[in-house]
Amino acid sequence: DIQMTQSPSSLSASLGDRVTITCRASQDIGNYLSWFQQKPGKSPRLMIYGATNLEDGVPSRFSGSRSGSDYSLTISSLESEDTAIYYCLQYDKYRTFGGGTKLELK
Amino acid sequence: QVQLQQSGAELVKPGTSVKLSCKASGYTFTSNHMNWIKQTTGQGLEWIGIINPGSGGTSYNVKFKGKATLTVDKSSSTAFMQLSSLTPEDSAVYYCVRDWFAYWGQGTLVTVSS
Repeated sequence: DIQMTQSPSSLSASLGDRVTITCRASQDIGNYLSWFQQKPGKSPRLMIYGATNLEDGVPSRFSGSRSGSDYSLTISSLESEDTAIYYCLQYDKYRTFGGGTKLELK
Repeated sequence: QVQLQQSGAELVKPGTSVKLSCKASGYTFTSNHMNWIKQTTGQGLEWIGIINPGSGGTSYNVKFKGKATLTVDKSSSTAFMQLSSLTPEDSAVYYCVRDWFAYWGQGTLVTVSS
């Protein structure tokens, strides 16, 4: 089974900060990686697919990147509405979620 | 627009089974696979399995084999998940999610309690 190791598990940042969350895949998944945002009481929202593609309607301050088996979600300038839990998902072989990152305002 | 409407909350007793539904609209039901996801309170997301509505073919997370059974009714564009031999550890919110995860149902809360 493919394991997705997500870090950090929690993160506190200030408004305007650049924030990066990372997932490491236990084996090659190509670019079959998505990122989700989940706010309390809501279903997760797709933010990034194919490792680097921004889903329609997602603000341009969000971006995705890949370096080898490491995949990153970056928020270029943190806004208050970005506080949420973020998850990665690999969909190369079956599907596996990362453990999640809780992003809070400092 | 694409919508996935899930059935309402369930309170069920240990040892019993429950069948959740997910009615799809706004697209051709057989054109996209359907995933089911488990989220326990305050915990992360777990992929349960996936079904091809056209063929009925399924794949499961090994952890949920024997626990979850995925089916569809093409005539009503509805996907189902049956959970069997329920224990308190099965208490969670369950989501149906159309591949490739752009569309999620609102979730169904299942509470297993005597």
